[in-house]
Amino acid sequence: EPEVTQTPSHQVTQMGQEVILRCVPISNHLYFYWYRQILGQKVEFLVSFYNNEISEKSEIFDDQFSVERPDGSNFTLKIRSTKLEDSAMYFCASSPDSNQPQHFGDGTRLSIL
Amino acid sequence: GESVGLHLPTLSVQEGDNSIINCAYSNSASDYFIWYKQESGKGPQFIIDIRSNMDKRQGQRVTVLLNKTVKHLSLQIAATQPGDSAVYFCAASNNNAGNMLTFGGGTRLMVKP
Repeated sequence: EPEVTQTPSHQVTQMGQEVILRCVPISNHLYFYWYRQILGQKVEFLVSFYNNEISEKSEIFDDQFSVERPDGSNFTLKIRSTKLEDSAMYFCASSPDSNQPQHFGDGTRLSIL
Repeated sequence: GESVGLHLPTLSVQEGDNSIINCAYSNSASDYFIWYKQESGKGPQFIIDIRSNMDKRQGQRVTVLLNKTVKHLSLQIAATQPGDSAVYFCAASNNNAGNMLTFGGGTRLMVKP
């Protein structure tokens, strides 16, 4: 069964550094998402992406965050200047269209020191 | 805004029994609901979904019930197995907010042999 894959599984970064989290969505999916889950808290929506542009974003997704689909297979989340509170699990998801279930990757654990 | 919450943080059941996990939502505009299972170290795994024009949907060993009057949905797992042990999340969205899923806090299901 096709899967969403995320790399790396664990990223440790110094505060203030830039970090890029990578995702390969399921190949025939057209909608892409990023969510995060701070330890012990709910999964929170960050951003949705369709047709090479952001279709929806939450208040969390401020100017420090950006997303990109640099080629036909990758979908990336960049945090420009990381803060301690960015430490969380970051999940990528994709869906075939807007009315189908979102399928999640296994996440990247981001630890900011 | 949307808030989605779960009634119980932990549910312990005997192997072979049926499990019922409950979820309440607050936004009456929510029109799509989905249940995910999350095992340790993995991302949310799609179980079953339901749209607001239905009140029941069945899958393999799972049933989702939706009560729009009281804004409540439940996940029923028949003949619970040890492999069902995980954290279960409900999530909701509505067409006006694109595909943004709002997650509940999760219920940990523990299956006793």
